[in-house]
Amino acid sequence: DTGVSQNPRHKITKRGQNVTFRCDPISEHNRLYWYRQTLGQGPEFLTYFQNEAQLEKSRLLSDRFSAERPKGSFSTLEIQRTEQGDSAMYLCASSFGRGFFEQYFGPGTRLTVT
Amino acid sequence: KNEVEQSPQNLTAQEGEFITINCSYSVGISALHWLQQHPGGGIVSLFMLSSGKKKHGRLIATINIQEKHSSLHITASHPRDSAVYICAVRSYSGAGSYQLTFGKGTKLSVIP
Repeated sequence: DTGVSQNPRHKITKRGQNVTFRCDPISEHNRLYWYRQTLGQGPEFLTYFQNEAQLEKSRLLSDRFSAERPKGSFSTLEIQRTEQGDSAMYLCASSFGRGFFEQYFGPGTRLTVT
Repeated sequence: KNEVEQSPQNLTAQEGEFITINCSYSVGISALHWLQQHPGGGIVSLFMLSSGKKKHGRLIATINIQEKHSSLHITASHPRDSAVYICAVRSYSGAGSYQLTFGKGTKLSVIP
């Protein structure tokens, strides 16, 4: 395992459809983060997990968004009833430790909602 | 709310020039990151620092906690340094947790 992986890398969907993204963190990392980045902006925090527990969720995350990390390893981010405003790059990162350590980022999933 | 401001937003330099990118933030932090993002989205962590100065190759990062300011310097810039450089700060978000707040990034283009 050489890094954080995300699938798919690109997703095009029609408005109103549901989409799910997957993130596989570095294997020994216990913390996993989801971020969203729109064109020309820096990433925005969405949510993070310590092991399987979702410890924080941004107010940016509407009820249409849900994230899981069922076994404390990979994570999924689902968006229901997609809207054009959901078009963005969705980034996943992982880190190890109880405190805050360096985060390692995946390549991202680019979502386009038409 | 913690705001993170970067300057300049865009920077074009000739190969070999010394480059400085600045980051200012508004509230107390426990750490600051400099990240590099290449076209296509991949983000690489360059530095994480909470005081003083760090150096890695041609890159130098400094932070002044009292002034709430950090700088990223690139010496002898090269076209392969062309990327977006993002400053991110770690701050306490309540309920025993921390989060990163990102600047919008500085797009650097180094011309041969």
